[in-house]
Amino acid sequence: QQQVKQSPQSLIVQKGGISIINCAYENTAFDYFPWYQQFPGKGPALLIAIRPDVSEKKEGRFTISFNKSAKQFSLHIMDSQPGDSATYFCAASTDQTGANNLFFGTGTRLTVIP
Amino acid sequence: DVKVTQSSRYLVKRTGEKVFLECVQDMDHENMFWYRQDPGLGLRLIYFSYDVKMKEKGDIPEGYSVSREKKERFSLILESASTNQTSMYLCASRYQQAPYSNQPQHFGDGTRLSIL
Repeated sequence: QQQVKQSPQSLIVQKGGISIINCAYENTAFDYFPWYQQFPGKGPALLIAIRPDVSEKKEGRFTISFNKSAKQFSLHIMDSQPGDSATYFCAASTDQTGANNLFFGTGTRLTVIP
Repeated sequence: DVKVTQSSRYLVKRTGEKVFLECVQDMDHENMFWYRQDPGLGLRLIYFSYDVKMKEKGDIPEGYSVSREKKERFSLILESASTNQTSMYLCASRYQQAPYSNQPQHFGDGTRLSIL
């Protein structure tokens, strides 16, 4: 079954607005939560990541919020730009399953309208 | 910069054919992965390899096999292609160093495979 649940499946935001993508997980062994960004015609690339010992991590316009008790985390894109239009995947990782340790959400297709 | 190169961007094959997808990485990474990406289903792991000659099944290995004879190259094989294997295939590699969960996976740009 899907180890990481992601919503929404698609999102349309006006330029300058805030984009919010949500993810939830059940496995408490997960200890690393990366977000990958995929532009059309390209492979996914690591965007930003967080460990569960902090509740928030910010890099430029991108912020991860993490709620350990609720087992939820989200990506916020402030001042969204048309260049942010891409598919975003949340993921969760644990060393307990060896090299096969990265579990992806189903993806959110973000469109930022000029 | 890490470079993961997939041999074909687009491939069209016929049902029943044996299909080879090739992936090469230039960073001496130990771990390599094959995923398929389908709309609404995200990335699903087909097979992965810890190191040369080693392979492990992922979540959806049925109908696929892999080969890793050299560290830099990981091949995905569709033994007898079927229409339900039409998909985008993504290869990734990763440096194996503890804590493993911290190491990012580096992806190629994908092969869009159509089985007619």
